[in-house]
Amino acid sequence: NAGVTQTPKFQVLKTGQSMTLQCAQDMNHNSMYWYRQDPGMGLRLIYYSASEGTTDKGEVPNGYNVSRLNKREFSLRLESAAPSQTSVYFCASSKARDTHYGYTFGSGTRLTVV
Amino acid sequence: GQQVMQIPQYQHVQEGEDFTTYCNSSTTLSNIQWYKQRPGGHPVFLIQLVKSGEVKKQKRLTFQFGEAKKNSSLHITATQTTDVGTYFCAGSWNNNDMRFGAGTRLTVKP
Repeated sequence: NAGVTQTPKFQVLKTGQSMTLQCAQDMNHNSMYWYRQDPGMGLRLIYYSASEGTTDKGEVPNGYNVSRLNKREFSLRLESAAPSQTSVYFCASSKARDTHYGYTFGSGTRLTVV
Repeated sequence: GQQVMQIPQYQHVQEGEDFTTYCNSSTTLSNIQWYKQRPGGHPVFLIQLVKSGEVKKQKRLTFQFGEAKKNSSLHITATQTTDVGTYFCAGSWNNNDMRFGAGTRLTVKP
């Protein structure tokens, strides 16, 4: 089925460990996004890639890095995990950065940092 | 930065009752989108509103965009247990930057 695939679905890290969250879409979308969702705070944009070869900071980029590997794949890296990064992470894609296009979200990664 | 405020945070209704969630911005929006997230799931795009005063319907769901394009609402008529979830609005002011509201969590008692 066409859509956005995220891996892993669950992860537990120790403080200071690093990890990369993977995301791939097969809808030929140009733009991709990483969000975090915390209780009562909705979805906050971490980083986005408007098109292949570009990445930009969102609302809450500190502690994260991203790579747009190709048009399909957009990864999120936590270099040194902190308990404050415990959250649910969603990858999303859209046809273009223009907000007139709806976003398609992946199923999420539930990350716990202990 | 600019934000959209969404109320209420929670709403518990009896099955068959109506439900409304509201989204407000202090400045004029270019467009607004609505998403639904089922418990344990991911947000799913429902609709987009662009024009001042626009009203769109999807079966029992009615979406409105205010005349001044500063507020929007989602109304569900005769709720069903399948409507359970969190409803998010996402506002944009410049066609390139979108911010999500905190969401309204709807629970439905059978």
